[in-house]
Amino acid sequence: NAGVMQNPRHLVRRRGQEARLRCSPMKGHSHVYWYRQLPEEGLKFMVYLQKENIIDESGMPKERFSAEFPKEGPSILRIQQVVRGDSAAYFCASTFSGANVLTFGAGSRLTVL
Amino acid sequence: DQQVKQNSPSLSVQEGRISILNCDYTNSMFDYFLWYKKYPAEGPTFLISISSIKDKNEDGRFTVFLNKSAKHLSLHIVPSQPGDSAVYFCGGGETSGSRLTFGEGTQLTVNP
Repeated sequence: NAGVMQNPRHLVRRRGQEARLRCSPMKGHSHVYWYRQLPEEGLKFMVYLQKENIIDESGMPKERFSAEFPKEGPSILRIQQVVRGDSAAYFCASTFSGANVLTFGAGSRLTVL
Repeated sequence: DQQVKQNSPSLSVQEGRISILNCDYTNSMFDYFLWYKKYPAEGPTFLISISSIKDKNEDGRFTVFLNKSAKHLSLHIVPSQPGDSAVYFCGGGETSGSRLTFGEGTQLTVNP
């Protein structure tokens, strides 16, 4: 029973490139959350999705960032035209409907050169 | 607007003693609270939770206390073990399935 799977674990991009981070939730989980941890900071909520729907994107930067959770396949966090300040660990978490406890993946570490 | 605050960035204790990690919140709508533990280069793992209708929840060496009037909760670990050395995050949620809002984390170091 695999947990929350994130890939890639490490991603290096140059300024201006695009970064795509993928998250496969635990089996049976229909809710996906993305969090970002900047260096020396805590976990900041970005977006909450259910299949084909964005439920809460109040933590998403207004530009360059987007997220989706299609009917089939993993959830994708997309960052366009990356800048050095986007360097961080991006964590995906999932849960099933009605649950409080989020299960986190191991994270994707983005480095922008 | 930081709804959850962990004012101690770090805490160091001796093995076998009690570790007390503190957390304050401002959002009165939080219905439940969770503590997560995080090792370097890994994702956070769930530790223990408490509903807003309770004031204490215990699970083995871990106990969480909630003081709603003070908007304060604490995590007690006793006895502390070197393997408990990690960053601990406190989080609050308003309704089931809603986002969790986390504090900045406290680095706990348990010395042998």
